[in-house]
Amino acid sequence: DTGVSQDPRHKITKRGQNVTFRCDPISEHNRLYWYRQTLGQGPEFLTYFQNEAQLEKSRLLSDRFSAERPKGSFSTLEIQRTEQGDSAMYLCASSEKLLVGGEQFFGPGTRLTVL
Amino acid sequence: EDQVTQSPEALRLQEGESSSLNCSYTVSGLRGLFWYRQDPGKGPEFLFTLYSAGEEKEKERLKATLTKKESFLHITAPKPEDSATYLCAVQAGWDTDKLIFGTGTRLQVFP
Repeated sequence: DTGVSQDPRHKITKRGQNVTFRCDPISEHNRLYWYRQTLGQGPEFLTYFQNEAQLEKSRLLSDRFSAERPKGSFSTLEIQRTEQGDSAMYLCASSEKLLVGGEQFFGPGTRLTVL
Repeated sequence: EDQVTQSPEALRLQEGESSSLNCSYTVSGLRGLFWYRQDPGKGPEFLFTLYSAGEEKEKERLKATLTKKESFLHITAPKPEDSATYLCAVQAGWDTDKLIFGTGTRLQVFP
């Protein structure tokens, strides 16, 4: 098992363009999370899935953001009409669903720069 | 509102000089408190989970402790390779799995 993987690792785009990121979780993990991290801040929760069901979405998340996990395995995060304020590191994490515990393991992140 | 505050923001230590990082939290029902290490340009690396006041966990030169209001990450005789940002996060309540993170403590250990 190679851990959580994310693709691409870096993305540079122009304002107004759409971008899509992919996350592949640890194979036996049924929960998958997306976070966003800006410089000098801790990760901020965006959304999470159990299998293919999206269980929670941050109230701070703009309608330009959408996430899917169609087959309960990999997930995609799409940002439409990107803005300069979207520049950040986008982190994906996965965990097992447990009553207690269920530590979240993070991938390397996708760094987005919006020009 | 659930909140996590970490202090200090930055800490410079000489190799071998032990110290502690603080994470204070205000949550409506703590389910778990997590410590992560993050190197520049990388994702957070899981270190510890603590569930109840009085609990302690150790890993090499690191020891995490938990009280009802805060957690400490003690670093004993640090080495330069311990230099990183240490993040604290909480999971609050039983109806969500999201982690609420603090802003981290940036640790530099110099020879």
